[in-house]
Amino acid sequence: GENVEQHPSTLSVQEGDSAVIKCTYSDSASNYFPWYKQELGKRPQLIIDIRSNVGEKKDQRIAVTLNKTAKHFSLHITETQPEDSAVYFCAARRRGSSNTGKLIFGQGTTLQVKP
Amino acid sequence: DTGVSQDPRHKITKRGQNVTFRCDPISEHNRLYWYRQTLGQGPEFLTYFQNEAQLEKSRLLSDRFSAERPKGSFSTLEIQRTEQGDSAMYLCASSFRDRDPEAFFGQGTRLTVV
Repeated sequence: GENVEQHPSTLSVQEGDSAVIKCTYSDSASNYFPWYKQELGKRPQLIIDIRSNVGEKKDQRIAVTLNKTAKHFSLHITETQPEDSAVYFCAARRRGSSNTGKLIFGQGTTLQVKP
Repeated sequence: DTGVSQDPRHKITKRGQNVTFRCDPISEHNRLYWYRQTLGQGPEFLTYFQNEAQLEKSRLLSDRFSAERPKGSFSTLEIQRTEQGDSAMYLCASSFRDRDPEAFFGQGTRLTVV
């Protein structure tokens, strides 16, 4: 079945350090992989996404890498700041003419950036 | 139209009561999704509408749950005979089309069943 595993569940880093969150998906038909940031009591917000025809995408301090063969994708945050502290979710969506576009989410990673 | 809006933001209900939530998607978005999120977990898919047609329902959506999107605009999610296990955040999301897959989420309705 469709499944996304996310690790680690919690991550604590010092301000200025890098943070890496990893996800593995099971559905080989997945072709779109977004990352959402959710602050306490707020809605999930898209921070970066990648499609299966691209191996890496970068947006300022945030980057995502995708290994289709291994069915792994990762979020990299460099020069972390206290405002990066939040819960981060990876997700996967399958392609196909009949696809509904539903997202299968990982379990989430709570990132704490210590000043 | 500044985004996906959900109402109410919070709902406390007694076990056995019925509740209804509303979602107003971004106006030009024809795809609408309902997800459920429990504490410490990622959102779980419940159901999907394309315009007014409900095209997929998760097995998580028991027969006590029903969702509608009568005119292809706003949607409602009703839970009948609520149980304590229904306590969760119910999130609505919308997207435009398959080629623009970004899903925009509402702030959710937090349901507490006592």
